Amino acid sequence: DGGITQSPKYLFRKEGQNVTLSCEQNLNHDAMYWYRQDPGQGLRLIYYSQIVNDFQKGDIAEGYSVSREKKESFPLTVTSAQKNPTAFYLCASSVTRGDTDTQYFGPGTRLTVL
Amino acid sequence: GQQVMQIPQYQHVQEGEDFTTYCNSSTTLSNIQWYKQRPGGHPVFLIQLVKSGEVKKQKRLTFQFGEAKKNSSLHITATQTTDVGTYFCAGVGAGSYQLTFGKGTKLSVIP
Repeated sequence: DGGITQSPKYLFRKEGQNVTLSCEQNLNHDAMYWYRQDPGQGLRLIYYSQIVNDFQKGDIAEGYSVSREKKESFPLTVTSAQKNPTAFYLCASSVTRGDTDTQYFGPGTRLTVL
Repeated sequence: GQQVMQIPQYQHVQEGEDFTTYCNSSTTLSNIQWYKQRPGGHPVFLIQLVKSGEVKKQKRLTFQFGEAKKNSSLHITATQTTDVGTYFCAGVGAGSYQLTFGKGTKLSVIP
């Protein structure tokens, strides 16, 4: 689990505000991912990126945006269009996007929208 | 799309009892991975199964991949309090790259 940092650990925002969650990795991994976790639910994929300057929508991309300008960084913006943004957000990375790659997760950011 | 179902959702066991969680996919998988998430923590990779009928062991943990590559199980022998957490299976569909997670089984161990 080392090598991936997410900040902050807890984040509070008012409804209607955009908020950006940070994810940085020093594992030299090509692929990075954002997941959302709700209580009693599994992890749902928001966005993923296989390489710098490229990213793809996951299952629940609506209301979110990402960028991948550097290999080490994959920030996630939760926009005001996301209807239910309060959740635990997990960033992960893997060596490649191959089907045998395991994913390494960051510690997560718990976002609460008031 | 691909769905991965995991049961039970919750399991409470007395310390020393065995525990099993089951994972079923709606489609054939190229591989299945298992992760453990401790309370308040993040998922940590445990193991990956690739071959039909594969069985792998890690100390008290036994992982199986079904012959049809559509189901898997994790069995813990003689649970300990350190086993507490949520266990997730995650499958990659044949011909796909996307990892689809089950909803997890939350294990509580009563000392």
